[in-house]
Amino acid sequence: EIVMTQSPATLSVSPGERVTLSCRASQSVSSNLAWYQQTPGQAPRVLIYGASTRATGIPARFSGSGSGTEFTLSISSLQSEDFAFYYCQQYYNWPLTFGGGTKVQIK
Amino acid sequence: EVQLLESGGGLVQPGESLRLSCAASEFSFSGYAMTWVRQSPGKGLEWVSSISNGDYTTHYADSVKGRFTISRDNSKNILYLQMNTLRAEDTAIYYCAKGARSGSYYWFDPWGQGTLVTVSS
Repeated sequence: EIVMTQSPATLSVSPGERVTLSCRASQSVSSNLAWYQQTPGQAPRVLIYGASTRATGIPARFSGSGSGTEFTLSISSLQSEDFAFYYCQQYYNWPLTFGGGTKVQIK
Repeated sequence: EVQLLESGGGLVQPGESLRLSCAASEFSFSGYAMTWVRQSPGKGLEWVSSISNGDYTTHYADSVKGRFTISRDNSKNILYLQMNTLRAEDTAIYYCAKGARSGSYYWFDPWGQGTLVTVSS
């Protein structure tokens, strides 16, 4: 099983700041990585797939990078609606696995 | 707009069974793999099971293998999850999600709003 590790667990930031979230895979997943955002009480929604491709309707302030085992999700200027949980997921092999998540909260 | 509507959750005792359903609409259901993902209270996301669109190949997380069965009815556009021998640790919101592309491996887009399963005596 490919283990996905996200860091940090919690990030405290001010609106307007730039944030970078990390996701590490226990073995290479090539570029088969997606990022999801989940706000309280809502279902997750995909932000990024293929490690760096924004999903339909996702603002340009969200960007993804990386390949192999190291990935990052960046939010260029944090908006109020961006305070949420973020999860990475590998789809390189079964079982499909998620990282433990990063909570982005208001400082 | 793609719609996924889960139902069938509820409160059950340990050892009992439950069947979840996910009604899909506004897309060609038979053309996509489908998945169940769960989230225990206050915890992260856990992939549970997936079923392919073509040959109905199924995959299960080790935590549910042998107890849960995923299936689909393409004539009714419904995804199912039969859950037997439920345990307290199966307590979670269960989300239905559509595979975002064809192929053996995929991300999930979109997700339903989820149905809550509580296993408690």
